[in-house]
Amino acid sequence: DTEVTQTPKHLVMGMTNKKSLKCEQHMGHRAMYWYKQKAKKPPELMFVYSYEKLSINESVPSRFSPECPNSSLLNLHLHALQPEDSALYLCASSQVRGATEAFFGQGTRLTVV
Amino acid sequence: EDQVTQSPEALRLQEGESSSLNCSYTVSGLRGLFWYRQDPGKGPEFLFTLYSAGEEKEKERLKATLTKKESFLHITAPKPEDSATYLCAAFSSGSARQLTFGSGTQLTVLP
Repeated sequence: DTEVTQTPKHLVMGMTNKKSLKCEQHMGHRAMYWYKQKAKKPPELMFVYSYEKLSINESVPSRFSPECPNSSLLNLHLHALQPEDSALYLCASSQVRGATEAFFGQGTRLTVV
Repeated sequence: EDQVTQSPEALRLQEGESSSLNCSYTVSGLRGLFWYRQDPGKGPEFLFTLYSAGEEKEKERLKATLTKKESFLHITAPKPEDSATYLCAAFSSGSARQLTFGSGTQLTVLP
């Protein structure tokens, strides 16, 4: 099973709302990632967790707050977003951080109004 | 800085018309070259990992190859359901950013 599950699939939120994106994998992977993807662009790395510890933060604004409660779950907390933050948010996992294949979830389509 | 460049940006083929997609990379110490398929509005689907020059991998109508400077994704006798964006990504020992993605090739296979 190479499944990474993301919820919700779609999210519309106002600029003053607080919401969370969730990601779950049961492959025993110890590295998990958040990516942001705009239309017709490749995914852009936001955060990397390795063994439940944040190891990379790609200078992402503080209105995005990641959390890794355990080795299977990854959350992305959203607060005071801007319309330009509208994008497809992708979660991925890999066995460990490094040159092993990363498996992606189906993404959350976020629209900020 | 690691760079991955894919060409062409878009490719239209007739069903059954074989072709190749190119992924050129400039990275410091390649650790792995990955190919993904992405359908509109969906997450990338893992296809292949290549680790060293000369390596080849196949899956149905797709075959990926790797040289010291580039990778090719060969599509043999494509079908309309092969239409998607194909992304390649490189992981290098010199990059702390994990995967460096190319911009993708949008493939359309016409019936």
